Amino acid sequence: LAKTTQPISMDSYEGQEVNITCSHNNIATNDYITWYQQFPSQGPRFIIQGYKTKVTNEVASLFIPADRKSSTLSLPRVSLSDTAVYYCLVVNTGGFKTIFGAGTRLFVKA
Amino acid sequence: DVKVTQSSRYLVKRTGEKVFLECVQDMDHENMFWYRQDPGLGLRLIYFSYDVKMKEKGDIPEGYSVSREKKERFSLILESASTNQTSMYLCASTDGTGSGYGYTFGSGTRLTVV
Repeated sequence: LAKTTQPISMDSYEGQEVNITCSHNNIATNDYITWYQQFPSQGPRFIIQGYKTKVTNEVASLFIPADRKSSTLSLPRVSLSDTAVYYCLVVNTGGFKTIFGAGTRLFVKA
Repeated sequence: DVKVTQSSRYLVKRTGEKVFLECVQDMDHENMFWYRQDPGLGLRLIYFSYDVKMKEKGDIPEGYSVSREKKERFSLILESASTNQTSMYLCASTDGTGSGYGYTFGSGTRLTVV
């Protein structure tokens, strides 16, 4: 199972774009890259998933280079309510032994 | 709105007690999971189930067991609670595609063992 490495914490200001990079050097051919968001006292919430290149939804964008050994979650124009922990996951098609890791704690300041 | 419901938000139990944590989902999902979350360690998989009466060990199954008698319900059992099992417990479910897309989590049960 591919392990992921991401920064422990990041600070930003309201209105800025935030990019959180995750490395997953041992990613396998059948693995997907998935990001979750977790607020205090809540379970994680799915944000975005991708396999390669770029994926965009109403919440975020996910950039994956050709070698897929890393990925970057991009949050446009963050607000105070984006303060949360963000988890990068590498999930195989079986999807069962998903490793969440410690996540990145994003703190958005006014 | 689809839901994963955990029976208790907060629970305090004594060392040696048998503890049951209940999780119910209303999405007809095949797969259900129990994680525990501790500061600095992220979420760690305890057990999962891909079908009724089926279960598989996760990364940290020691001291725990599970039961899935009905598709919508997945129970985590602490046979003899110990203080090192004080943690936040999260239940999740997902459909049968197994791609990891769209895990739905409950709000968690914060268990304190004294």
